[in-house]
Amino acid sequence: DTGVSQNPRHKITKRGQNVTFRCDPISEHNRLYWYRQTLGQGPEFLTYFQNEAQLEKSRLLSDRFSAERPKGSFSTLEIQRTEQGDSAMYLCASSFAGRATDTQYFGPGTRLTVL
Amino acid sequence: QKEVEQNSGPLSVPEGAIASLNCTYSDRGSQSFFWYRQYSGKSPELIMFIYSNGDKEDGRFTAQLNKASQYVSLLIRDSQPSDSATYLCAVERNQGGKLIFGQGTELSVKP
Repeated sequence: DTGVSQNPRHKITKRGQNVTFRCDPISEHNRLYWYRQTLGQGPEFLTYFQNEAQLEKSRLLSDRFSAERPKGSFSTLEIQRTEQGDSAMYLCASSFAGRATDTQYFGPGTRLTVL
Repeated sequence: QKEVEQNSGPLSVPEGAIASLNCTYSDRGSQSFFWYRQYSGKSPELIMFIYSNGDKEDGRFTAQLNKASQYVSLLIRDSQPSDSATYLCAVERNQGGKLIFGQGTELSVKP
């Protein structure tokens, strides 16, 4: 399977703990995106990278959130001091910049539950 | 006003009928438009994209774009129970970069 992969698929944590998620994009894709989705809503953009450069961050991404893509391949999203409001599905997507339409393909997501 | 708006539904159609899903957007500078399907508990799956005014067909799916009216639609012909899912409309303002999603329309196809 050469699609986008995310780990872990599920994470349950207690309020105040730190969590880290990993995303591995489709191998030839140079753009990687993070979104967050809550029940009944569409995904909300958090941030994206082209290669290792973080090109845009949403205002939704508070100081407690940080994302990296150190070698332009996989990416990690860390949430520090988790809050109950952080409970959501965290989605990663990847695409190849340079085509006429930059089509994003999503991974299976990481479902975070903060108790 | 939300940037991308969809009726949340649920939209219920009988098997074999045409399902029509609609989406409006507020930014006239938007360039590309995407439809994703999302089954309950799963991640979004790309159905098709469109960036030129008019219709684009792919199998049982037809996307329609009217930039003057800031309106995108998705038609599903010969609807099947397996089409029952939430359909997400997404808009891309610049080439590459973030997608702005609507809240999704829940479609139910009754046998």
